[in-house]
Amino acid sequence: TQLLEQSPQFLSIQEGENLTVYCNSSSVFSSLQWYRQEPGEGPVLLVTVVTGGEVKKLKRLTFQFGDARKDSSLHITAAQPGDTGLYLCAGARPNFGNEKLTFGTGTRLTIIP
Amino acid sequence: DTGVSQNPRHKITKRGQNVTFRCDPISEHNRLYWYRQTLGQGPEFLTYFQNEAQLEKSRLLSDRFSAERPKGSFSTLEIQRTEQGDSAMYLCASSLARAAEAFFGQGTRLTVV
Repeated sequence: TQLLEQSPQFLSIQEGENLTVYCNSSSVFSSLQWYRQEPGEGPVLLVTVVTGGEVKKLKRLTFQFGDARKDSSLHITAAQPGDTGLYLCAGARPNFGNEKLTFGTGTRLTIIP
Repeated sequence: DTGVSQNPRHKITKRGQNVTFRCDPISEHNRLYWYRQTLGQGPEFLTYFQNEAQLEKSRLLSDRFSAERPKGSFSTLEIQRTEQGDSAMYLCASSLARAAEAFFGQGTRLTVV
């Protein structure tokens, strides 16, 4: 059973459009990270959210942590070809005695020039 | 470059052979994680260390897999009697204890033929 469900699994949009990807769980997380991964490379950390309801912005990327700390979203404004990649969310539950990160299956994003 | 370093980047081996991978974490990080990622999936947790102590192992880590972190610095992951199902990207990450973020290396791509 996948603890973190990401949707959509695949998304292909035109350059300049906006998009949102989602990361949902029935479990509460102490923190949630978003990573982007290029083919053949390791995941690169984009952001960490810790507080329920927290919103963080990274240039054209906006990340939100759900009030109950069970879900998160990533919104990209005016997508560019450089945004293409696999976006992974990962949750940590150290307050529950579980130190490791649990990853979602990812959203593969393709931005068409 | 002071990021997480993994060697080798690629390994092709014949079924039944043993392989060993190395991970050098960010120098001040006391936590080190190993993950495995197969095509189209998010990374799956294998094991983690705090300093030299191995604190958690996944059920995915069969008896053929062993990980060590002597002196709490670099880590090695050994797979004995490799099987075709072991083909995957093996990712190492490190973090500070009590910190939410984990930083990943570029991974070692294992192909068992």
